[in-house]
Amino acid sequence: NAGVTQTPKFQVLKTGQSMTLQCAQDMNHNSMYWYRQDPGMGLRLIYYSASEGTTDKGEVPNGYNVSRLNKREFSLRLESAAPSQTSVYFCASSERGLTEAFFGQGTRLTVV
Amino acid sequence: KQEVTQIPAALSVPEGENLVLNCSFTDSAIYNLQWFRQDPGKGLTSLLLIQSSQREQTSGRLNASLDKSSGRSTLYIAASQPGDSATYLCGGNDMRFGAGTRLTVKP
Repeated sequence: NAGVTQTPKFQVLKTGQSMTLQCAQDMNHNSMYWYRQDPGMGLRLIYYSASEGTTDKGEVPNGYNVSRLNKREFSLRLESAAPSQTSVYFCASSERGLTEAFFGQGTRLTVV
Repeated sequence: KQEVTQIPAALSVPEGENLVLNCSFTDSAIYNLQWFRQDPGKGLTSLLLIQSSQREQTSGRLNASLDKSSGRSTLYIAASQPGDSATYLCGGNDMRFGAGTRLTVKP
């Protein structure tokens, strides 16, 4: 049982480059989430998708876009990476917040 | 908007000590609360999920309580071990999290 899988695990980008972080869950959860985690800042919600076909902004959405490709997959896109987006990114899923939430292992992104 | 606060930010205890981690939240409409553990460089691992109707959940040496009226949850760790060293985070059903408590258990 894989749970929540994130790819890639590590990435280095140059300022201005674009990339997409992938997330897939195999628990048939309706809700999926993207966070960034910075030292001393805790987990900050970037975007979430309450169900397939819907997406909503979280606390820090600027500079990011998301796509809920299907029930399993939720991707996060950086169109023009900036050094301020250097962070560890986590994807999570749950059943509309009613059940136990599961997290991926994270993507460590460095923008130089 | 839900705000979650965890105190203390860091805690260091000797092995064998019992300890309590605190989590405060502002929205009493919360209907569940979850405690997670995060090891350095890793993702979050679920420890306990407390439904508002339950008030308490236990797993091994861990016991978590939830008091909606006061906006507080506590995680009690009995007979702490060096392997318990990690950052502990709490979050509600809206998936907003505190910054965590970094626990160090010294042998």
